[in-house]
Parts: sequence; structure tokens; C-alpha cells
Amino acid sequence: KNQVEQSPQSLIILEGKNCTLQCNYTVSPFSNLRWYKQDTGRGPVSLTIMTFSENTKSNGRYTATLDADTKQSSLHITASQLSDSASYICVVSAWGNNDMRFGAGTRLTVKP
Amino acid sequence: DTAVSQTPKYLVTQMGNDKSIKCEQNLGHDTMYWYKQDSKKFLKIMFSYNNKELIINETVPNRFSPKSPDKAHLNLHINSLELGDSAVYFCASSQTQGVYEQYFGPGTRLTVT
Repeated sequence: KNQVEQSPQSLIILEGKNCTLQCNYTVSPFSNLRWYKQDTGRGPVSLTIMTFSENTKSNGRYTATLDADTKQSSLHITASQLSDSASYICVVSAWGNNDMRFGAGTRLTVKP
Repeated sequence: DTAVSQTPKYLVTQMGNDKSIKCEQNLGHDTMYWYKQDSKKFLKIMFSYNNKELIINETVPNRFSPKSPDKAHLNLHINSLELGDSAVYFCASSQTQGVYEQYFGPGTRLTVT
């Protein structure tokens, strides 16, 4: 079982709607959690990085939350645009050993 | 200017060959990485270098050998290529180790036939 589980695996929404992607992890001891956006055929682009003490962080229409007690994170996308169609990847790093664990990603499709 | 660049973008080669992928970053970063993304789009870190020193070396066959001539370059050399090496390889860099944003290159799609 992967130490970082993302859900849903894929999601289709209409333009202008909001959506929330989930990331649950078992990586320990926790250091930080990152959300990346990866367009088809391109490298991942960082959206947010959160450490243990941060509960929420925003980047434009993207808002990430972190509950380190329950080991859960979410990425909320507001007023979706066609350009939000991409894969969203959650990455959790462990403290002290540079270990990075990647989720399988959520494939988001925004339709007009 | 491209922050993290990789060459080539596409690489098609036969089993048993040796090939290299080059990566350069012009951000002045100390740390560079190599990642592999398989056909299921699953990303996995392979190596990390900080100031030309190896700091992460995941369980990767020793046919893969990273080389960092200076801190702006991290090349990946692969010996005796196998079918299972077919994937997209991404280079990335960050200011230094730790909780810093990583900037990814455009990727190199390697196809082994």
C-alpha cells in the first residue's frame, strides 16, 4: 500500500464549479506536504508547500489544507477554468531522511 | 529563459545501448533531482544532488549513474538499457535541501525498443 493515497482517481467538472481533491498519508515523521499540478506532456508545477504548523495555504484559486493529526490534506479549486485540466499530485516528505513519497495523482478534467 | 532545461526531449533507442540525458538549471540553485514517471504516471525520485554531492539515492539499478560536473548540471547516464527503462525522466532543482519549491524541467521521454 502506497504511503500517499489520493482520491478521487479522476474527476470531471463543469467550468466555473468548485472541487476538492483529497490526499491521505501515512508517512512519518512528517516534514512537509506539497501539491503539484502537471499538465499533459509537461513537468509538474508547484502549487503549495505546507509544513506541520500550517493548516491552510492559498495560491490564487487553489487552497490547500492540512490536518497533521489525521494525516489528511485537501486541495480546493475555486471557480474552475478549462486550464485547470491536469493531474494534481500530492507529495509527502519525511523528516530527516529526505524521503519523498508521491501519490498517484488525481486527473481533473474541466469541461465547458 | 528556461529555468530547468533537459536534452533531448525524446529519446528512442534499442535494448542494450547506453544513453545520457542532460539537465541544466540557470536558477543558481544548490540542489538538483532526477525523477522517473512510468506509464501509469506515477512519479518517483531517483537521485538528488546538493552542491555536486549525492544526498538521495533511491533503490535504482546501478545501470543508472548521475553525474554532476557543477551545481548547475546534473546528467543521467544509463547503461545497458532495458525495456522497463521506458518512461519520462524529469530533472528538477530547488534552492537547497529541505522545504523549498522544486522547479521541474520539461521531461525526456525515453523509449527502449
